[in-house]
Amino acid sequence: GDSVTQMEGPVTLSEEAFLTINCTYTATGYPSLFWYVQYPGEGLQLLLKATKADDKGSNKGFEATYRKETTSFHLEKGSVQVSDSAVYFCALSQNTGGFKTIFGAGTRLFVKA
Amino acid sequence: DAGVIQSPRHEVTEMGQEVTLRCKPISGHNSLFWYRQTMMRGLELLIYFNNNVPIDDSGMPEDRFSAKMPNASFSTLKIQPSEPRDSAVYFCASSLGGGIFADTQYFGPGTRLTVL
Repeated sequence: GDSVTQMEGPVTLSEEAFLTINCTYTATGYPSLFWYVQYPGEGLQLLLKATKADDKGSNKGFEATYRKETTSFHLEKGSVQVSDSAVYFCALSQNTGGFKTIFGAGTRLFVKA
Repeated sequence: DAGVIQSPRHEVTEMGQEVTLRCKPISGHNSLFWYRQTMMRGLELLIYFNNNVPIDDSGMPEDRFSAKMPNASFSTLKIQPSEPRDSAVYFCASSLGGGIFADTQYFGPGTRLTVL
């Protein structure tokens, strides 16, 4: 079945460091890909998404490119801030009569001042 | 829009009691999802509805769990009887649906359930 694998955390970085969180997927067909972020005590919220190969999603300085050849959707940010500390989830979704989303395990990011 | 609304935000109950969690999706959204989040198991999809019809309930852990969506603006997740291992944060999410690509899911703030 479909699955999402993302790098284990926690990831600890200093402010202004470069961030990469790796995400790979297994899916039949052509899924849409997402990154969601969860801040402490809150539900998940969409960070960015891409619906087809080679699309780049971007938001708040974060970027991810849908790479079909490597089945990857790695999240990057050039300069992290303390406020980026959160848990990041990679996810895929396909039409199964409605859209079911498969989430990765989540990667916790800590950013130190 | 107020977003996805869940109630209660916190629930503490004793083993064996019935628990009912409630969700109001965003108006106009056609799909509704119930998730459970724990440290040990991460985020798990329990069930999802499309146009009020359950599409996939394969994630419902056992017969003690049941979910209903009597209309487009309300859903419940019931646990009867509850057990300590049901302690978790339960999220409801909704999405617009209807297109050829998956839509963004909008999550509620969650219900933190503690079963003593």
